[in-house]
Order: sequence, then C-alpha cells, then structure tokens
Amino acid sequence: QSALTQPPSASGSPGQSVTISCTGTSSDVGAYKYVSWYQQHPGKAPKFMLYEVTKRPSGVPDRFSGSKSGNTASLTVSGLQAEDEADYYCSSYAGFNNWVFGGGTKLTVL
Amino acid sequence: EVQLVESGGGVVRPGGSLRLSCVTSGFTFDDYGMSWVRQAPGKGLEWVSGINWDGGSPTYADSVKGRFTISRDNAKNSLYLQMNTLRAEDTALYHCARVGCGSGSCSYFDHWGQGTLVTVSS
Repeated sequence: QSALTQPPSASGSPGQSVTISCTGTSSDVGAYKYVSWYQQHPGKAPKFMLYEVTKRPSGVPDRFSGSKSGNTASLTVSGLQAEDEADYYCSSYAGFNNWVFGGGTKLTVL
Repeated sequence: EVQLVESGGGVVRPGGSLRLSCVTSGFTFDDYGMSWVRQAPGKGLEWVSGINWDGGSPTYADSVKGRFTISRDNAKNSLYLQMNTLRAEDTALYHCARVGCGSGSCSYFDHWGQGTLVTVSS
C-alpha cells in the first residue's frame, strides 16, 4: 500500500495547459482503469473531479481531462483559470476494496 | 443534496481510543459502500478503511489494521470508525466519503464530509 507518486508542484499561466502525473505500480494504476482525481482548496473538503481515468462527473468543466499509460495516469487542466489553483490528488483502486492516494500536487496559476 | 457530517474527534493521549461517527442524508445510504480517508496536518490524503453497503468486507490500510474497526448502521444512515491504541501519527482530519460506482466497479469517492479532527498527544 505505497502511496502513488505525484510531483509536489506544478504551475502555469492563465489560459495555458498543465499536466500532473500520477505513477503507481502494476498492482494499482497499471492493473485497473479505476483512477480518480480530486481537487482540494485550502480548508475545504476534496472535490471529486474525474473517475475511471477519463470520465467527468456532471458539473466538472471539460477543461479537466485524464489519461493513463501503463502504471502512470495523468490529469490535464487546459485553459487554466485562477480558480484552478488548488491541491490535486490522484487515487487508484487497488483491488479487494482497497484504495491508494497520491501524495498530492500543488497547482499554482501564475 | 448529499450530506456527510462527521463528529467524535478530539484530543486523546497515545494509547487511547475514540469513536468517530458520520451521519449521512440526501441519498439511500444502504445503496453505497463508504470509506474513511484521513489527512494529517499539511499532508496528503490517506485512505484508512472501507465497508460495503451491507457492512460486509471491511478493509483497512496497513497503518491501522488491527487497531481500527469500521462499521455502519443502515437504519441510522450512519458510518463509524472505532479507533483504539491511538498513536501520534494518527493525528489527522478524518473524512467520511461515499464510494461511487461507475461501469464495472465501485472505485471512487464522489461525496466527502468536511472532516473531524483527531489529535493524539500527551
């Protein structure tokens, strides 16, 4: 149950795109199409942003997209906006009702 | 509107116990699995424990296995976490989260509570 690996920080200017990676193992990210992403603003509860690698729940802008290759999943935020500045966490289902999270990435909009 | 409201946090000495509760509303509680996820101060999210809709198949992170027990009362729309033999490293904000189901599996956390703070300190 080792945490997934995310870069501690990422940044981009308004209107630009930024991609955050999430690297796991063949037992979690590589084994399942069940990677999800969460956005957390300071002092707030996490907000559900993407599930099953690429799917967006209703209400999440299509500027947020996901992908996966092998043991690494990625979140891309296009057309960066000031309100996108937050911490982002990936999570992977790891089988048998177990989950693992990434360490989180602080996204700064310059 | 889906709501998850945690309670039961507080300050406890190492080796002590606490029982967290999460009262839910706005959805059919016994249609969903639930989990506890914690966040140490200034740190990232850590999945702690999960339970199926019927209370079956409780699972735990290695860091809490043998010390924490998850349970639920579907008649009260409530989730619980009994925490024993607490350690300083258990200090965190504890969130309850609803497990959402997509195509093929229930694999994500689609609603979260604001959390209840547990501080383990002598």
